[in-house]
Amino acid sequence: QTVVTQEPSFSVSPGGTVTLTCGLNSGSVSTSSYPSWYRQTPGQAPRTLIYNTNTRSSGVPDRFSGSILGNKAALTITGAQADDESDYYCVLHVGGGISVFGGGTKLTVL
Amino acid sequence: EVQLVQSGAEVKKPGESLKISCKGSGYRFTTYWIGWVRQMPGKGLEWMGIIYPGDSDTRYSPSFHGLVTISADKSISTAYLQWSSLKASDSAMYYCARDYGDPWGLDYWGQGTLVTVSS
Repeated sequence: QTVVTQEPSFSVSPGGTVTLTCGLNSGSVSTSSYPSWYRQTPGQAPRTLIYNTNTRSSGVPDRFSGSILGNKAALTITGAQADDESDYYCVLHVGGGISVFGGGTKLTVL
Repeated sequence: EVQLVQSGAEVKKPGESLKISCKGSGYRFTTYWIGWVRQMPGKGLEWMGIIYPGDSDTRYSPSFHGLVTISADKSISTAYLQWSSLKASDSAMYYCARDYGDPWGLDYWGQGTLVTVSS
């Protein structure tokens, strides 16, 4: 069974930079995994941040960027703001039209 | 403007059937996939399955295959998620979202449908 791994929690100082990662239990993440990133605040629907590894969704500020770092996908947030405090999820395409969510990272800004 | 509008909250008893919907507008419904995502109370997001309304090609996560049915009616730009016999463990928020397909990735999301299954 494919498991997508994320850090359960992370903290960043206001104005700081943080990189969240997204890995696979069964190998390396590449661009053919089409990594995408979403954020969700309590009680709200998820919002798409990044798709296709590094393409920002419409309206997403350039403080958010996606990449491949080593064998994982990565989401980097620069100039962290208080309202970046959210749950962040990655999704990896595992083939055959099937995708899998990671367990999510709870980001605290303090 | 792209919109996905989901049907309203449902309260059902165990063993009952249910079909929830997701209506797309503002784009060509038949040329993007629609995915379904589950979020159980206090838990993370889970990818359930996806359908291409143009030809009803459907793919399921192994975790959900056989437990739910995804369908679409392209004539009314609506995708569906249905259960034949609900369990209490099906209580969750369900989201639909549009997927590019190439490249894979969800972009626009519905507002969610809360399903509560309780005797």
